[in-house]
Amino acid sequence: ETGVTQSPTHLIKTRGQQVTLRCSSQSGHNTVSWYQQALGQGPQFIFQYYREEENGRGNFPPRFSGLQFPNYSSELNVNALELDDSALYLCASSSTGGTEAFFGQGTRLTVV
Amino acid sequence: AQSVTQLGSHVSVSEGALVLLRCNYSSSVPPYLFWYVQYPNQGLQLLLKYTTGATLVKGINGFEAEFKKSETSFHLTKPSAHMSDAAEYFCAVRRSGGSNYKLTFGKGTLLTVNP
Repeated sequence: ETGVTQSPTHLIKTRGQQVTLRCSSQSGHNTVSWYQQALGQGPQFIFQYYREEENGRGNFPPRFSGLQFPNYSSELNVNALELDDSALYLCASSSTGGTEAFFGQGTRLTVV
Repeated sequence: AQSVTQLGSHVSVSEGALVLLRCNYSSSVPPYLFWYVQYPNQGLQLLLKYTTGATLVKGINGFEAEFKKSETSFHLTKPSAHMSDAAEYFCAVRRSGGSNYKLTFGKGTLLTVNP
């Protein structure tokens, strides 16, 4: 059984640029959630995708957007990067009827 | 709305001593509760969860937690700490049932284990 995989593992971007982070969900999982974890903080929910539709969103501005593909993999896009966007971005997948989310290793984004 | 409070951002114990990490939650609906562990530069690994049924739940690596509805608590314990337990621990809550898997996390507790 393949777990949740994220790419890239590390990324450095300049303020104002755009970034795309990718996530492959665990086999059989149809729901993907994204979280932002700033240094020294707990993860914060960004949004969730189910059957290619966003069906839940946290307190993040519209420049944070996402996609889910027919194979349930997902992308997180962030436009107009700000210094405060520097964080570990975590992807989690879940299955219908399941109770827990399984997390990937994360992508460390640094905005300079 | 849901929230999680983890009392103590840093807990230090000696190897072999009891580990107690505290978590209190707030939820307007019956919750599911989780403890995750995070090692440096890693993602989150599920330690244990409470959904329904028995309020004392056992997880991996000898950890267990007890759901106490009257106290709105879900404290994590381990009878004897091992050096490998040193990590950051996060308590999380989500609403029970449904298809919304949004997790609300506490700020985390860093556990250090002294030889």
